[in-house]
Amino acid sequence: GAVVSQHPSRVICKSGTSVKIECRSLDFQATTMFWYRQFPKQSLMLMATSNEGSKATYEQGVEKDKFLINHASLTLSTLTVTSAHPEDSSFYICSAQKGGADTQYFGPGTRLTVL
Amino acid sequence: SQKIEQNSEALNIQEGKTATLTCNYTNYSPAYLQWYRQDPGRGPVFLLLIRENEKEKRKERLKVTFDTTLKQSLFHITASQPADSATYLCALRYSGSARQLTFGSGTQLTVLP
Repeated sequence: GAVVSQHPSRVICKSGTSVKIECRSLDFQATTMFWYRQFPKQSLMLMATSNEGSKATYEQGVEKDKFLINHASLTLSTLTVTSAHPEDSSFYICSAQKGGADTQYFGPGTRLTVL
Repeated sequence: SQKIEQNSEALNIQEGKTATLTCNYTNYSPAYLQWYRQDPGRGPVFLLLIRENEKEKRKERLKVTFDTTLKQSLFHITASQPADSATYLCALRYSGSARQLTFGSGTQLTVLP
């Protein structure tokens, strides 16, 4: 149990376009989902925390108008990178957490390349 | 701000030996600490969680210790195998952080056959 999927696994887009990444908890309900970004050889950096049905909480330095997060149901959260630029190229990883639990279950990640 | 350091960027050991990875943190103690394994191009996979009032946790060939005085956690893999080669991340959750995790930069372990 506790499987999290992400789609797409890899995306290449042109500068200025928007990209949507989906994160799904397949076999449990996730009251909280987290979005991380990871640059090569670096740690996971938390971007935002989202709770189902409420607005996401963004970490300092993360532009909420650029990284739109929607947590519309207990099994789905989406991250939309708007007007993407080459510096947004990174590995984006989501995680999901069951209500009251401490463990986060991570998705396989999405490699975004902005040309 | 909280700072997490993992002992070395890379660690090579011989198959069958015990690998020991270190995670040091600054400032106040976390509510709990977790260890994850991450393979290239993949998301992290949860391995073990240890709480601030626990000294040691074991799971099969894995052992984690937590010393709040030294502000340090050690992660051991006994009887290591080439399949254990991966990057290992420690992550801390601080009290009052709404269950958010702060990750270390990871240690890349290579087990040589």
